[in-house]
Amino acid sequence: DGGITQSPKYLFRKEGQNVTLSCEQNLNHDAMYWYRQDPGQGLRLIYYSQIVNDFQKGDIAEGYSVSREKKESFPLTVTSAQKNPTAFYLCASSIPSRGELFFGEGSRLTVL
Amino acid sequence: KQEVTQIPAALSVPEGENLVLNCSFTDSAIYNLQWFRQDPGKGLTSLLLIQSSQREQTSGRLNASLDKSSGRSTLYIAASQPGDSATYLCAVWGNSKLTFGKGITLSVRP
Repeated sequence: DGGITQSPKYLFRKEGQNVTLSCEQNLNHDAMYWYRQDPGQGLRLIYYSQIVNDFQKGDIAEGYSVSREKKESFPLTVTSAQKNPTAFYLCASSIPSRGELFFGEGSRLTVL
Repeated sequence: KQEVTQIPAALSVPEGENLVLNCSFTDSAIYNLQWFRQDPGKGLTSLLLIQSSQREQTSGRLNASLDKSSGRSTLYIAASQPGDSATYLCAVWGNSKLTFGKGITLSVRP
């Protein structure tokens, strides 16, 4: 089945560690996105990529990094510079011409 | 700057009711509007997408309308069921950016 796969579903990190969240899609979508969701704050855009080897910062990119070496993959690294990384992270993809967004199941990161 | 508002934040209704969820946005120059459902601890599931040239979209018991001039969209759920309990979010594409509302948490009581 076509879709977006995020892993791991749950992740625990010690302060000072970098962690990488995986996002893979087999929908053949050009655009991919990373969002962060916190209670009461809605979804906030971290990074997005419209084509391979190109990506743009969103509203809250500080402390995060991404790469887009393949069309299917858009991993997000949460670095130790991110001050408050505990959150629910959502990956999405879309066909830019249509604009319809499809989401993965999310990854919950907890910093101990 | 586009702002998307969904009021109320939470809603509880008895099973069988027809209900309307509202979404308002401040900038009418939008490309499309999308409604999502989110279950606790899960990702967002796309329910309906309304392009800017359209007035409404229907899928099963769901009907979404769009009025760009007034900056409003409504999601109509017919004959609500306990399985409809979830958070419903609307998102607006405009000016190369997608803006989300904070969602309405719906509880349908048996």
